[in-house]
Amino acid sequence: RKEVEQDPGPFNVPEGATVAFNCTYSNSASQSFFWYRQDCRKEPKLLMSVYSSGNEDGRFTAQLNRASQYISLLIRDSKLSDSATYLCVVPASGGSYIPTFGRGTSLIVHP
Amino acid sequence: SAVISQKPSRDICQRGTSLTIQCQVDSQVTMMFWYRQQPGQSLTLIATANQGSEATYESGFVIDKFPISRPNLTFSTLTVSNMSPEDSSIYLCSVEGTGSVYEQYFGPGTRLTVT
Repeated sequence: RKEVEQDPGPFNVPEGATVAFNCTYSNSASQSFFWYRQDCRKEPKLLMSVYSSGNEDGRFTAQLNRASQYISLLIRDSKLSDSATYLCVVPASGGSYIPTFGRGTSLIVHP
Repeated sequence: SAVISQKPSRDICQRGTSLTIQCQVDSQVTMMFWYRQQPGQSLTLIATANQGSEATYESGFVIDKFPISRPNLTFSTLTVSNMSPEDSSIYLCSVEGTGSVYEQYFGPGTRLTVT
């Protein structure tokens, strides 16, 4: 299994919809997980950190399932401005401090 | 959060030449990183730039091809040497955040096209 895997999408949803992405990881020792957002032709920006079972910030909820080794990002009441690529990040295996980035899931929110 | 600038923002270069990318941070940081993001791909870490010592390169990247300087805690350069079209990519520098090395702040990137 790759260290981090994401469904590339694109997920095409109408405004107001609820959408969820999953990210699977192989390093069972990972304790922390992160979601970044990358707009087209822009740099990635940290969206959320997940250190335990989950984290919620407004319309965004990140959840962790350690048994199945995946994290999810749920976006409620989607806005047009949510259109972006969402990158999952987990620490690399072997005790490294280096983050491993997934390829990202593309979200398109349409009117 | 740190404010990071990169120069140049984009460039078109001929094969066989070299390009040096600069990364400037508005505050002192211990760790600076250089990434590459090829079209449709995720970020791949090239190396960690260490102040006062040689950079630490990831598998598949070597100093002769990607020499890095880190003269102080706010500045670093990455040189892409003897370029080929396969080096066409976006190059990003980043710094660690205050909470965790995984919570990184990225510069705006340098879009490089090699012809």
